Amino acid sequence: EAGVVQSPRYKIIEKKQPVAFWCNPISGHNTLYWYRQNLGQGPELLIRYENEEAVDDSQLPKDRFSAERLKGVDSTLKIQPAELGDSAVYLCASSAGQGWEKLFFGSGTQLSVL
Amino acid sequence: DQQVKQNSPSLSVQEGRISILNCDYTNSMFDYFLWYKKYPAEGPTFLISISSIKDKNEDGRFTVFLNKSAKHLSLHIVPSQPGDSAVYFCAASDVRSARQLTFGSGTQLTVLP
Repeated sequence: EAGVVQSPRYKIIEKKQPVAFWCNPISGHNTLYWYRQNLGQGPELLIRYENEEAVDDSQLPKDRFSAERLKGVDSTLKIQPAELGDSAVYLCASSAGQGWEKLFFGSGTQLSVL
Repeated sequence: DQQVKQNSPSLSVQEGRISILNCDYTNSMFDYFLWYKKYPAEGPTFLISISSIKDKNEDGRFTVFLNKSAKHLSLHIVPSQPGDSAVYFCAASDVRSARQLTFGSGTQLTVLP
């Protein structure tokens, strides 16, 4: 069974440029998460989807970040415009039904904003 | 304010010996605790968990201990193997936050052959 797939693996952009990350969760997993992990810190939740509905986006900086999960499967996280402080690893995770505690993470996208 | 703290950024242990990773939390509403392991260039993977109604949970070489009065949990790995070298994240959740996981900053474990 394929795991959570994220692309790209690495992205280097200049500040004020837009950037987008893509995630394909494990088949059948209705819950999808986007986390941000800063250097030397643990992952922090940005947004959580139940199917296509964003049920927790309280920590998403909505002035520059947006996300969507069309048809309740793939998801895209966008930053526009990017700032220097956005440099981090962006992790996507999914979980199945009642298995909320067992998140399956993708390998992440390492973003560097110059 | 960090609600989940891992005060040791790194730990080195000899192969075959016990590794003890520690985690402290401040939110008394947390009632479920987890450990995730992360290898370089990979996402974290679930390792073991414990509910607040228990004080110990075991899975093979991995045991998690919970001390609710001290708001402290620890992960014991016995015996440690070089393949256990990774970053270990402690995480906690409570029902009020819809089971959102709050992660600690991680501890880099290095098992020396």
